[in-house]
Amino acid sequence: QVTLKESGPVLVKPTETLTLTCTVSGFSLSNARMGVSWIRQPPGKALEWLAHIFSNDEKSYSTSLKSRLTISKDTSKSQVVLTMTNMDPVDTATYYCARIRAHYYDSSGYLATLYYFDYWGQGTLVTVSS
Amino acid sequence: QLVLTQSPSASASLGASVKLTCTLSSGHSSYAIAWHQQQPEKGPRYLMKLNSDGSHSKGDGIPDRFSGSSSGAERYLTISSLQSEDEADYYCQTWGTGGVFGTGTKVTVL
Repeated sequence: QVTLKESGPVLVKPTETLTLTCTVSGFSLSNARMGVSWIRQPPGKALEWLAHIFSNDEKSYSTSLKSRLTISKDTSKSQVVLTMTNMDPVDTATYYCARIRAHYYDSSGYLATLYYFDYWGQGTLVTVSS
Repeated sequence: QLVLTQSPSASASLGASVKLTCTLSSGHSSYAIAWHQQQPEKGPRYLMKLNSDGSHSKGDGIPDRFSGSSSGAERYLTISSLQSEDEADYYCQTWGTGGVFGTGTKVTVL
């Protein structure tokens, strides 16, 4: 049974650094063609992808937040950690981690890849306020 | 720029069908997408992945009344025999240099 569970502070102050941990079970972070993403959702708003990390340690970040984000993993602990610096009230959101799977398909004659999120954590609400 | 466009809302009566649309931006009409459901106060749940030819593969435990189809740059999610628990937000998602989400469609069951 695949599960992901987010943990971290409920409340952070403006300018502080947020550290969130995603603990996974039912699969290994060393599995090929799998990874974990962090995604957030401000209250009443849409989902926003933040970052991902794959089994080979390949990482990528949202262009708009790249300077503030760091993602890492500890395979032995089955954990993926996201840090976000210089927190602001606009960063108030529910933060989710999700498992990434790869789907290969034909896109106008060449092989393309859809990375999609097949299992999600329950999310953790982080409020930024002084 | 890779963008997914969704209508903000849709509604249908209990037991009826509803068809949601996700439109891929120009130049990306061959992209595959995924559909996710988010019930009120819950985390998202993966429904299916959907190719440009309409072939799709559902996630574990997703009922048969959820189906996908495609036409050009449009990707559809059809929910048949609507149940009260289908009242939720539905997001389409694809991948460019990272994850890309649509703005979501809120489905109301009348």
